[in-house]
Amino acid sequence: NAGVTQTPKFQVLKTGQSMTLQCAQDMNHNSMYWYRQDPGMGLRLIYYSASEGTTDKGEVPNGYNVSRLNKREFSLRLESAAPSQTSVYFCASSDPGTVPYFGPGTRLTVT
Amino acid sequence: GENVEQHPSTLSVQEGDSAVIKCTYSDSASNYFPWYKQELGKRPQLIIDIRSNVGEKKDQRIAVTLNKTAKHFSLHITETQPEDSAVYFCAAAPWGNTPLVFGKGTRLSVIA
Repeated sequence: NAGVTQTPKFQVLKTGQSMTLQCAQDMNHNSMYWYRQDPGMGLRLIYYSASEGTTDKGEVPNGYNVSRLNKREFSLRLESAAPSQTSVYFCASSDPGTVPYFGPGTRLTVT
Repeated sequence: GENVEQHPSTLSVQEGDSAVIKCTYSDSASNYFPWYKQELGKRPQLIIDIRSNVGEKKDQRIAVTLNKTAKHFSLHITETQPEDSAVYFCAAAPWGNTPLVFGKGTRLSVIA
């Protein structure tokens, strides 16, 4: 089992460009999450999906959209990237009674 | 919503000494408190967790204590080793599908 996978691992964008970060899990978890990690700020929730077909905003949703494509996949889209979105993005998944398991992260730089 | 405060932000200890990291939370509905360790360039990984019906939990050199009345919980690492050097995050949430809220992290350095 791969657990949680994320693509790409690294990405450099210019301001205004768009891109989609992909996340997939093979643990049959119902819930999936997107967090961003910035120095000194910990992990902040962007969006989450408690189950297939549902999505909810987290603490820092502005500038992002998400799609829960199916039970396995949860994508994060930046429509018009800004330098403030330079960060490391982590996807995670869990079920009730299980601890969130994180993917390896995507390091995004917006110039 | 839940707010988690974590202290200290950085901590240096001599190898073999103990390290303690403290967190407070604001939402009395929270009843699940995991701790994650993140090595440089890696994903956060769970090291220990505790639920509100337990006051203390231990796993070899690491332990977590919880005081629900005071709304604080702590991570204790004994006999620290250089490989314990990492960033540690506490988190809190009601159990179930509610997302975790994380503290800002503590960078632990164990000096050989």
